[in-house]
This record gives sequence, C-alpha cells and structure tokens, in this order.
Amino acid sequence: KQEVTQIPAALSVPEGENLVLNCSFTDSAIYNLQWFRQDPGKGLTSLLLIQSSQREQTSGRLNASLDKSSGRSTLYIAASQPGDSATYLCAVLLGSFQKLVFGTGTRLLVSP
Amino acid sequence: GAVVSQHPSWVICKSGTSVKIECRSLDFQATTMFWYRQFPKQSLMLMATSNEGSKATYEQGVEKDKFLINHASLTLSTLTVTSAHPEDSSFYICSAREMENYGYTFGSGTRLTVV
Repeated sequence: KQEVTQIPAALSVPEGENLVLNCSFTDSAIYNLQWFRQDPGKGLTSLLLIQSSQREQTSGRLNASLDKSSGRSTLYIAASQPGDSATYLCAVLLGSFQKLVFGTGTRLLVSP
Repeated sequence: GAVVSQHPSWVICKSGTSVKIECRSLDFQATTMFWYRQFPKQSLMLMATSNEGSKATYEQGVEKDKFLINHASLTLSTLTVTSAHPEDSSFYICSAREMENYGYTFGSGTRLTVV
C-alpha cells in the first residue's frame, strides 16, 4: 500500500527565507507526482506536476524535484512571502487510470 | 487551464435531510471525476470515483447508499449526502483532469454542516 509522508508537518519562517518541503513515498512505481497548495477552507490549487520520467519542474519561485528510486520529492520555495502561507500537499499517482494518494501536508506560515 | 466548478461552497442542513453537491468541468469533458472528504487539519481521503454513464466506485468503508453519486454527463457529477447526520459534517472536494498526462484540477470545495 502506497504511503506518502510530508516533513515537516508545520513550518514557520520569516519573510524572505528560502525553504524546502519534503515528500516521501513508499512505492517508487509512480506515474507522476503533483504538488498542491490549499488555503484555509478552500480547494486545492495545483502548483507543479512532475511526470515519472522527469527530475524537476519549475514555476516562478517554486522548484520541485523528483527522485523516484529513493521515493522522494522536494518543493523548494525561494524568497518566501507572507502570501505563501498555506498548507502544501504532495500527491502521487500510481498509474494513469488510478487515484491520487495524498501526503499528510505541511502547514507553512511566513511572517512579515 | 482546466477549471472545475463546485457548488455550493457551503451548506447548512438539518439532520435527516439530503444535500446535493455539484461538480462541473467548465472547459473540458471528464469521463472520470473523484470525490474527496477532508476533516479539519487532515489530508484528503478519496471517497469514490465517479464514472460517466456507469456506477461509481466507492472506497472501502464509504457507504454507497449514503453518498449517492451521479455522473450523468461528461461535465457534471453530483454527490448527494442522504439522511445527513452531524458526523457527515465535513469538507467535500471534487477533482478531474483534462487529459491523461495532465495533472488533476480540484473544485473549490463544499463545507457541509449538519445541525
């Protein structure tokens, strides 16, 4: 059974810091991995999608890497801003027609 | 990009009544949609997979007679919580994807409170 874990569970940093969120999964045979952001009481916003054949994806200040063999992905946020405060979720897809398995989430607070 | 619209965003209902939540893919067709449930400060738990034109597939432990899913068209799936009870109070979110190699898009969620 695929298990997805995110570390840390919560993170509080001052504005401007670069930070790394970690995601690990037990079954390396994934189809792709997706990072999401969730604001309180809201739905999920997709940040980055990494296909199994890719090593990393970048969007603005965000960079996500994927190491399938070790079952790890990291989300790097550069020059953090208060608007980045949210819960960040990673999710893996085991097969093209299979379901997403979500991680436990990291609650990020960026203070001005 | 792909947009998934979910309504209502919040609803309060009395115990014993039924509530319907709609999930629409606005600019693409989705043969499959997914329904999740999220408790406070917890991650998303898949409830069921909604398949256009056929029966939904429910995850273990999810009562199919309580959570009725109808996927009657390629752009609309509905989740009906029947005979709702306070323990059904939760945040419900749907998702779909535009194409096979694309990521999943999520609706804005529905906060259900049963009193």
